Amino acid sequence: DVKVTQSSRYLVKRTGEKVFLECVQDMDHENMFWYRQDPGLGLRLIYFSYDVKMKEKGDIPEGYSVSREKKERFSLILESASTNQTSMYLCASSLLEDTEAFFGQGTRLTVV
Amino acid sequence: GQQVMQIPQYQHVQEGEDFTTYCNSSTTLSNIQWYKQRPGGHPVFLIQLVKSGEVKKQKRLTFQFGEAKKNSSLHITATQTTDVGTYFCAGRTGTYKYIFGTGTRLKVLA
Repeated sequence: DVKVTQSSRYLVKRTGEKVFLECVQDMDHENMFWYRQDPGLGLRLIYFSYDVKMKEKGDIPEGYSVSREKKERFSLILESASTNQTSMYLCASSLLEDTEAFFGQGTRLTVV
Repeated sequence: GQQVMQIPQYQHVQEGEDFTTYCNSSTTLSNIQWYKQRPGGHPVFLIQLVKSGEVKKQKRLTFQFGEAKKNSSLHITATQTTDVGTYFCAGRTGTYKYIFGTGTRLKVLA
């Protein structure tokens, strides 16, 4: 079974802090994604990566950056956390461009 | 921008009743995927539709992709309490990019 593991289930951070969300997948998938999920808005794509060291902006990249130094690991960085970044963050991976995505369990981030 | 609208936002049904959720895109989709998210859980892939007019069935679930590849539906026959959750469609709009619908939260009353 594919496993996508996010480093934390819950996080509370202060405004202005730099925040790292880590995601690891164990199935040698090429593609990795970061989404945020907010009530009534569904899942919105923040960034994705189709190869090591490659990254592409999604629909809402402002205030975020990412890093993919190894194939299995994709990190989401909030450079200076703000309260409007309080959300559920979901990492996902997929083998190919048009195959199913496997999601991690999510990180609920609260910025106070 | 590109949007995928999903209706209804919420649906409460009695156990045994049918349920349908609809997805409508502002642009033509390459394919569409459906996911289910149980309360407190993460989205889990259900199915992918690729061809215009395609219909696929999984037991009590029937998925359709419209002829113009701009809309899709998920129909559940005779709902059960295990069907509870939020159902999302995700339409592929470009290379690697899927736009998720806003989701339909289904509650099944026993």
